[in-house]
Amino acid sequence: NAGVTQTPKFRILKIGQSMTLQCTQDMNHNYMYWYRQDPGMGLKLIYYSVGAGITDKGEVPNGYNVSRSTTEDFPLRLELAAPSQTSVYFCASSIVNSGANVLTFGAGSRLTVL
Amino acid sequence: ELKVEQNPLFLSMQEGKNYTIYCNYSTTSDRLYWYRQDPGKSLESLFVLLSNGAVKQEGRLMASLDTKARLSTLHITAAVHDLSATYFCAVHPRNSGNTPLVFGKGTRLSVIA
Repeated sequence: NAGVTQTPKFRILKIGQSMTLQCTQDMNHNYMYWYRQDPGMGLKLIYYSVGAGITDKGEVPNGYNVSRSTTEDFPLRLELAAPSQTSVYFCASSIVNSGANVLTFGAGSRLTVL
Repeated sequence: ELKVEQNPLFLSMQEGKNYTIYCNYSTTSDRLYWYRQDPGKSLESLFVLLSNGAVKQEGRLMASLDTKARLSTLHITAAVHDLSATYFCAVHPRNSGNTPLVFGKGTRLSVIA
C-alpha cells in the first residue's frame, strides 16, 4: 500500500498564480484533511472531508478550495497565491476505529510564493 | 475554541537523562494523540490515549492521560540521540472521534551527547 500520496513535493509560485496540490489515498479511508504547517506554529486545519461529496472548512480556509469527488482523492486548490501561503502542506486520511481516529499523513508539499 | 498547549516548546537534553513534555488542553476530551515528526519529514503516530488514566509505553517513551486535569504527559527515559524530533499532541475539539484534530505547536527535542 502506498498510503497517502501528495504531489508535488516542492513548488515555487509567483504571486497571483494558481495551482492544485494533489492528494490520494489507497486505504479506503472516509476522512481526509489538509493541514498547513508554519515554523513554530504546529499544524492548522485548512479543509476536511468526511466522505465523497462532503467537505467542510477548517481553521484557515481563506484562499483555498477543495473538492472530494471520490473516496481516494482530495485536491487542494490555491487561487491567487499570496506570500502568506508559503508553507508546508500536509494531506492526511483516517478512519474511526474503536473510537480512535488516527491520521495517516502524506510526505508533505513545500510551497513557496514569491 | 479549543486550545492545545505544549511545554516546553524547545528542549535540549543530554543523553541518558529523563524529562517530561506536557500537553494541556482546554476542552472535555477522553482521547488524545501523540505524533512524532523528524526534521523535514511527515508526522507519524506514536500513541493513542482513549480514556482517563490511559498509559502507553514504547521503548524509552511513555505517554499518559489525565482527563480530569486535561493533561497528557510524554515521559522520556534515558534519552538517546535517535529521539531527537518534534513531538505533537492533538485533541478532538469535541469529545468525538469524528471531529478533526487540533494540534499543539509541538515540542522540538534535541538530545545531545
